[in-house]
Amino acid sequence: NAGVMQNPRHLVRRRGQEARLRCSPMKGHSHVYWYRQLPEEGLKFMVYLQKENIIDESGMPKERFSAEFPKEGPSILRIQQVVRGDSAAYFCASSRLTSGSTDTQYFGPGTRLTVL
Amino acid sequence: AQSVAQPEDQVNVAEGNPLTVKCTYSVSGNPYLFWYVQYPNRGLQFLLKYITGDNLVKGSYGFEAEFNKSQTSFHLKKPSALVSDSALYFCAVRDEAGNMLTFGGGTRLMVKP
Repeated sequence: NAGVMQNPRHLVRRRGQEARLRCSPMKGHSHVYWYRQLPEEGLKFMVYLQKENIIDESGMPKERFSAEFPKEGPSILRIQQVVRGDSAAYFCASSRLTSGSTDTQYFGPGTRLTVL
Repeated sequence: AQSVAQPEDQVNVAEGNPLTVKCTYSVSGNPYLFWYVQYPNRGLQFLLKYITGDNLVKGSYGFEAEFNKSQTSFHLKKPSALVSDSALYFCAVRDEAGNMLTFGGGTRLMVKP
């Protein structure tokens, strides 16, 4: 049973370019969460999605960042016009049940974004 | 707002000795508490969680954690540390109705032979 898959594992972009990060949840999971980890810090929640719906985006920066989880295919975190401060590890997690449940979020290996 | 504090940036322990990694939390209502471990350049691996019931929770790799409601703590413990336990440990909390996990800043555990 494959775990949460993320790709690419490492991504290098120049300032002003776009970054697209992909996440495929565990089999049977339909809830996806994105977190960001800055160097030497803990993870910070960004967004929670179910298929075709954004449920909670309270942690997302207001500009340049967007997320989707289409009916078919992986969840995508998109960062437009990247800046050096976007350099971080971006982790995706998935769970089987809905929010407010006792379910566990399982994490992928992360995408490490470096902005030159 | 919910929050998690891990007061120690690093914990050093000799192999074979017991270890404790501390965590305190603040949340409205009943907490759901989690411990994750992160190895270098890897994602977070789930260790254990407390939802309700017995205050002592047993998890993966011989780890356990004790929930203390009065002290709002959820310390991670292991009776006998291994060198391979050296990693970054994160405590996280979620409230009953919430979606997101709120993480502590992490504690680096160093187990020396």
